[in-house]
This record gives sequence, structure tokens and C-alpha cells, in this order.
Amino acid sequence: QKEVEQNSGPLSVPEGAIASLNCTYSDRGSQSFFWYRQYSGKSPELIMSIYSNGDKEDGRFTAQLNKASQYVSLLIRDSQPSDSATYLCAVGKGQGNLIFGKGTKLSVKP
Amino acid sequence: GAVVSQHPSRVICKSGTSVKIECRSLDFQATTMFWYRQFPKQSLMLMATSNEGSKATYEQGVEKDKFLINHASLTLSTLTVTSAHPEDSSFYICSANFQGDYGYTFGSGTRLTVV
Repeated sequence: QKEVEQNSGPLSVPEGAIASLNCTYSDRGSQSFFWYRQYSGKSPELIMSIYSNGDKEDGRFTAQLNKASQYVSLLIRDSQPSDSATYLCAVGKGQGNLIFGKGTKLSVKP
Repeated sequence: GAVVSQHPSRVICKSGTSVKIECRSLDFQATTMFWYRQFPKQSLMLMATSNEGSKATYEQGVEKDKFLINHASLTLSTLTVTSAHPEDSSFYICSANFQGDYGYTFGSGTRLTVV
């Protein structure tokens, strides 16, 4: 089992809809979780970090964490074409290391 | 905000030659920097952790003699790909912490093509 798993997509949503991105992780002791956005040919940029069970909202983005289910998700409300990118889930693995999933490609259609 | 500058952004080199990639923290000091590699349609894979003033820590399967890392100052880490081969062609990205354990900032990445 891979340490961090994501559906590769592509996930296609119409403009204005809610995009839901999911991620599961294998290490039950993980404490830190991150969502990065990566445009093609570019390096990742941090969108959200979450450390406690529940929801964390920042603008149009909401991260959800369920440690019992080893599941973390990202909701993007009012999706825009500019949100089209690959979204990487990352899990902290001690000593500052991050383990990344393969990413989910999101396409927002105008 | 914290900025990590990475150069060059793109490099093409001949097989057998060496390539040096620089990663600089512009407005903060980074005792630790991380080097990742990303192949097409794959996730970022941590190659090594670069520690200022000491030897780098390499992930399993990464050849330390091929990927030389030097972190001589609190603002500069370099990755040298020695005797590059076409299979080393990839997107190399550095990152540094500026805010506790996981306040990562990524460099802009270096696209290496070995011909």
C-alpha cells in the first residue's frame, strides 16, 4: 500500500461547482497534512495545512481531516478555470519530511 | 513572504557531463533544505535532506556519489548531478523551511534534460 494515495483523475467540474479532492494515508501516526497546487511545469504551492480532525476553511478552500479513517480531503467552492491544476496531498513524516501523493488533476470547464 | 530562488530553471546537457543546481533562501535562513525529483505524471519524491554545515541525508535508493549536495551556508544549497545520463532527466525542486517544521517554500524547479 502506498503511503499517500490519491485518485489521479482527471476530475472535471463545471465553473462555479464544488470540486472535491480526496486523499488517504497509511501511517496512522501522521500528524500533519497539506494540500499543494501544482500547475503544469511549475513547482507546488501550498494551499492548506491541517493538523486536527475536522474542517479548516480558507476562502474558497476547505480542508477536512479524519484521522480515524486516515482520510483528508480538499473542497474548492465556486471553482474557477484558474483552479485547473494538479492537487497534491502531502503528509508530514517527521524531521520535516513530506510524503506526497501522485496528485489529482482537476479541470474546471467554463 | 519567504522566497526560495532556484537556478537554472531549465538545462540541457550532454550525457556524461555534470550539472549544478542552486537553491537559495532569499529572505530567511534555512538550516535545512530538501531536494525532490519529479518524473512526468509522478509525485514528488524526496531525494535528500541538506543540512547546513554537515553531510546530506539521502533517501533509500538515491546514489549519494551521483547526486552531490553541498549546503555551505544558511542560504545556499547546491545539487550536482554528476555523470548525467538520460534517465536522470527530470524536474528537480528544492524546498526550505521558514516556519517551524512544515512551513515549506518551494523553489521554482529545474527541468533537466540529458541528451
